[in-house]
Order: sequence, then C-alpha cells, then structure tokens
Amino acid sequence: GQQLNQSPQSMFIQEGEDVSMNCTSSSIFNTWLWYKQDPGEGPVLLIALYKAGELTSNGRLTAQFGITRKDSFLNISASIPSDVGIYFCAGAGPLVFGKGTRLSVIA
Amino acid sequence: NAGVTQTPKFRILKIGQSMTLQCAQDMNHNYMYWYRQDPGMGLKLIYYSVGAGITDKGEVPNGYNVSRSTTEDFPLRLELAAPSQTSVYFCASSLGTDYGAFFGQGTRLTVV
Repeated sequence: GQQLNQSPQSMFIQEGEDVSMNCTSSSIFNTWLWYKQDPGEGPVLLIALYKAGELTSNGRLTAQFGITRKDSFLNISASIPSDVGIYFCAGAGPLVFGKGTRLSVIA
Repeated sequence: NAGVTQTPKFRILKIGQSMTLQCAQDMNHNYMYWYRQDPGMGLKLIYYSVGAGITDKGEVPNGYNVSRSTTEDFPLRLELAAPSQTSVYFCASSLGTDYGAFFGQGTRLTVV
C-alpha cells in the first residue's frame, strides 16, 4: 500500500523558534493535507494543498505541495506553547497518513 | 454544529464479544472513513465508503465489518473482539476523495 514517510519523528524546540517538518511518498497524490492532533482528540485539519507547487499559509503555518506531487512540507513560525501536539501529513485519495511528528515546545 | 459524532467514547470488551461503533455526520458528505490509531502511531484506514450502499476495504480490514445504509451513518462492527483490536478508533467524513476529512472525537476501545 501507499506509505508516507514523515520526518522528524519528534522535535523539542524553544518557544519562539521556527519549526519545519516534511513528508515524502513513493506515490503521487492530488491533494496533500496537514493535520494536528491534541491528546485525547481527533485530528484537526490545518492546511489543504490542491495544486503541485502551491504554497499556502494559515496564520503562522505555511505548507507547500511539492512539484513532483510526492512531497510536502509544513513550517510553523515563532512557535508558542499551544503548538504542542502531533502533526500528521496525509495524501488524499482516500486519506493515507504519515506516522506523525511529535512537537514539544519549551517555554 | 455537530460535524462527526462518534459513540461511545470509551468501551471495554471481553475477548470474543461483539460491538458496533457508531458514527454519524451532518455535513452531507458522501465519503466516510474508519481509522484506527495505536499508541504512538499514525492512523491506519480500516474501511471507507464513497456513498450510501458502497463500501471498500482499507489497509487493515480484517476483523471488522461496515455498512452504509444512509449518507449520514457509517457504523463499524467488531464480531469477535481480540486484544489486537485494542486501539482508538476514529471516524471521518469528507466531500470527496481529494478533500480534507473532518474527524470525530474517537472511541477508545480496550479488549481484555
């Protein structure tokens, strides 16, 4: 089946730092999605990317859909404590998820 | 706005028991999904449906069954519960295959 390789697996950063995580696939996707999951909750959609090369922002979050349609990255600028959680990339068609990046923010 | 509603939130089953996890959405989405999430892992697709009356297997369908008699509801059935089915189960829905999905709060199932 399709697999998404998401890295890094975990990150510990200082509050105020920028964060970058990425996702690669052996398959082409028409849509890339980024989700955040808080403890005990379901994943919440952060950003959806629908076109190769597309760069989309949502507040402090920026994500890009790779030109080859096999990769995507997510950046978080000026991290704050509430950014803590697990971030998942997903390729649509139906949704296939990466294993997640666990983000910890040290105040 | 209810979105995707899952019941129950928690359940403990004995080995060999059966149960149905309920999922309902009020967004008129055609696509619905069931995922399981094991501790520290990502989400694995169990079954999905592209519309009422149509279902298809995902990555890990063994031990589960689904039905989709209406657009709104997509129940997941476990016939003979096994310890390997201890997990958190998430239901989700979307407009279509290339759209982001909205998730329910999850059902935490323990099989003992």
